[in-house]
Amino acid sequence: GAGVSQSPSNKVTEKGKDVELRCDPISGHTALYWYRQSLGQGLEFLIYFQGNSAPDKSGLPSDRFSAERTGGSVSTLTIQRTQQEDSAVYLCASSLSYRWGTGELFFGEGSRLTVL
Amino acid sequence: TQLLEQSPQFLSIQEGENLTVYCNSSSVFSSLQWYRQEPGEGPVLLVTVVTGGEVKKLKRLTFQFGDARKDSSLHITAAQPGDTGLYLCAGAEGSGGGADGLTFGKGTHLIIQP
Repeated sequence: GAGVSQSPSNKVTEKGKDVELRCDPISGHTALYWYRQSLGQGLEFLIYFQGNSAPDKSGLPSDRFSAERTGGSVSTLTIQRTQQEDSAVYLCASSLSYRWGTGELFFGEGSRLTVL
Repeated sequence: TQLLEQSPQFLSIQEGENLTVYCNSSSVFSSLQWYRQEPGEGPVLLVTVVTGGEVKKLKRLTFQFGDARKDSSLHITAAQPGDTGLYLCAGAEGSGGGADGLTFGKGTHLIIQP
């Protein structure tokens, strides 16, 4: 497709289980972002990938969270030993790289995670 | 991380009314973006403003960037039910790009009642 694709769209898991969320960015976009959005809240930055550079992991809330981006395209966000407070919508976005400022972020529809 | 305060947090008005929502910070931004998010979807970019005092119009929506580049406003004229959604502002701190320079506010939930 032409847009950012995320899967699964919904995930219900039990506390303590691991989950993997996938993001397929727009072809040609070198920048990829993961955000978390709790109910009715704004976007909390998690991690950012830019080309082959080391990712910016400064937003990851704990060491239970990790992400990788293989081949500069698809990204997977992994949450280990999930907790109830991890319940949220996880949004992925991609953008072209702009040297002079922040360009438009194209968001996927998100993966809604519910931890019971 | 610089903070962006959005107000009001919630706004419910009748179709045809005008409204203004605000995005404020004590810090200077090199550029500022407005996104709209509908339920079950990701945010979609409405506009980017980069120059202090800049005004941009998108049909019935008017966006203004403050002279000091610390604040912005979104004015909607003759609101329509299709304007309903979560309006998010996002400020870029520097010119290097990337997520480390982009801060999102918590958003304004706007409901336009027919």
